[in-house]
Amino acid sequence: DARVTQTPRHKVTEMGQEVTMRCQPILGHNTVFWYRQTMMQGLELLAYFRNRAPLDDSGMPKDRFSAEMPDATLATLKIQPSEPRDSAVYFCASALENSPLHFGNGTRLTVT
Amino acid sequence: AQSVTQLGSHVSVSEGALVLLRCNYSSSVPPYLFWYVQYPNQGLQLLLKYTTGATLVKGINGFEAEFKKSETSFHLTKPSAHMSDAAEYFCAVRSNNNDMRFGAGTRLTVKP
Repeated sequence: DARVTQTPRHKVTEMGQEVTMRCQPILGHNTVFWYRQTMMQGLELLAYFRNRAPLDDSGMPKDRFSAEMPDATLATLKIQPSEPRDSAVYFCASALENSPLHFGNGTRLTVT
Repeated sequence: AQSVTQLGSHVSVSEGALVLLRCNYSSSVPPYLFWYVQYPNQGLQLLLKYTTGATLVKGINGFEAEFKKSETSFHLTKPSAHMSDAAEYFCAVRSNNNDMRFGAGTRLTVKP
């Protein structure tokens, strides 16, 4: 059963440190999404890619966040420098175009 | 741009009772509509989807939803709640530019 894989599952870091979250989409899926989930804001779309090209990253704080797809099997979300307000669960999802999203189990980030 | 509103952040029902979770959407184009379920410490799982065709859509675990264009609604129902249905439920809308927007979520509690 194909699934989206996210690493790490948990990350605790200190304010100011760089954080990199990784996502392996389902093989063959050509769209990849990054979401952030918090109690206060719910699920926020940060960025998404189609065929590895970024289509929309307007939901992402540009000064510290960056999202890339170095190749079709890897998507990364980087925060530099991290801040306590970045603490959240970050989800990656992949899909074929116009098909439902398949979610990973998330990376729970805690910034102290 | 499309958006989703879920009425009621918490819904509590008794085991065996009807479940009704409300979702209204706004979209400038015919939408694709989805319901997802999230169990603790997991990613979101697809319950059902509406793309085109029959407006009453059946999903997994006995859930169904009806697309009502005149009411811009896509409410989720289940005739008889089970304890295992306790989770958070998200309505989502996807437009033809492929980004996916989620509602704030409704936490369903099932009382014995």
